[in-house]
Amino acid sequence: GENVEQHPSTLSVQEGDSAVIKCTYSDSASNYFPWYKQELGKGPQLIIDIRSNVGEKKDQRIAVTLNKTAKHFSLHITETQPEDSAVYFCAASSMDTGRRALTFGSGTRLQVQP
Amino acid sequence: GAGVSQSPRYKVAKRGQDVALRCDPISGHVSLFWYQQALGQGPEFLTYFQNEAQLDKSGLPSDRFFAERPEGSVSTLKIQRTQQEDSAVYLCASSWTAGDGNTIYFGEGSWLTVV
Repeated sequence: GENVEQHPSTLSVQEGDSAVIKCTYSDSASNYFPWYKQELGKGPQLIIDIRSNVGEKKDQRIAVTLNKTAKHFSLHITETQPEDSAVYFCAASSMDTGRRALTFGSGTRLQVQP
Repeated sequence: GAGVSQSPRYKVAKRGQDVALRCDPISGHVSLFWYQQALGQGPEFLTYFQNEAQLDKSGLPSDRFFAERPEGSVSTLKIQRTQQEDSAVYLCASSWTAGDGNTIYFGEGSWLTVV
């Protein structure tokens, strides 16, 4: 089955700096890669996703890049703000097969220092 | 509804008790998922429904775990004879269709503590 590894487990940055979180996946059949933000006591919230037919996607301060050959994808947050502090999860799945489940990474706790 | 709704939000069960966790998906969503999230970990897949059909239950950890969605909308996750290792947040998620890359929306979770 799919295995997703995520690094780093914790990340502390100064407000205004950029933050980068990296994930690798094992199943070459995976073709959908969402990123979720989870605040304390809440469920995961989708912030951006990318499909395997594109290499990069951007939404305001957030961007995701995908390297299918190397089987890794990354989340980039620019101009970080204190409200970006949360746990971020990457995930992978194959939407072409009957199994629609997401396989999640272990999470990155991002702390933005004001 | 506006989002995926789960109840109860918090449940404390004595070891050996049975519990039932309810999920109300977003209205009209075909796909429904249950995940288990242990403290400090990422969510782990339990089971998946497409309408009322349970298409994948490969993530259920034991036969004490049972899920149903009899009318293709509300779903219930039941845990029989709870054990301490069942303590976790149980997340329900839904998506519009079973098709390619549809956004999966999560509820706030049901926090289960087994004492």
